[in-house]
Amino acid sequence: DQQVKQNSPSLSVQEGRISILNCDYTNSMFDYFLWYKKYPAEGPTFLISISSIKDKNEDGRFTVFLNKSAKHLSLHIVPSQPGDSAVYFCAASLTRGGSNYKLTFGKGTLLTVNP
Amino acid sequence: DSGVTQTPKHLITATGQRVTLRCSPRSGDLSVYWYQQSLDQGLQFLIQYYNGEERAKGNILERFSAQQFPDLHSELNLSSLELGDSALYFCASSETSGRTGEQYFGPGTRLTVT
Repeated sequence: DQQVKQNSPSLSVQEGRISILNCDYTNSMFDYFLWYKKYPAEGPTFLISISSIKDKNEDGRFTVFLNKSAKHLSLHIVPSQPGDSAVYFCAASLTRGGSNYKLTFGKGTLLTVNP
Repeated sequence: DSGVTQTPKHLITATGQRVTLRCSPRSGDLSVYWYQQSLDQGLQFLIQYYNGEERAKGNILERFSAQQFPDLHSELNLSSLELGDSALYFCASSETSGRTGEQYFGPGTRLTVT
């Protein structure tokens, strides 16, 4: 039962254009959604998050949109840069008793930004 | 650099053996999480410890166990190893409150079982 799905295994965009990475989830109890970036031979690096009570969060070139009714979130990167080339994981969090619980990850999308 | 350290970076061992993976969380973080990343399963949550106590369990096999010590470092013990246990094992830590869900990952230990 895959509760967090990233249906696109890969995405290729031109430098300077927008990258849009998508993620769907099934569990309406998730209260935070996060995006992580992963380079080969490194651990995932936190990028940006959004609370389930919000619909948008922006941090520099990165914006995450949440559509709760559709159980869908997306990460927009504008403008895309070659250094953004990495695997992007969508993750969802449940908090219990006021503290972190496990992250449930999608399988990732490999983003390639071409110069 | 996330501030989370993991040792060793690579481990090669034979089936049936036992190994211990070590993790030191970021300074001040009380929660430690272990994840397994295999080619076909993606990143899977194994177990969480909070200030020395087990807080939550995920898809962790009975052959695997973990603990968190008083200095907050954690160890993941894998025994009776099988070929299918070959994977990347990540440790993550989070702030005490963890309200935003953010976890900070170490560089991982790559385990190869031959």
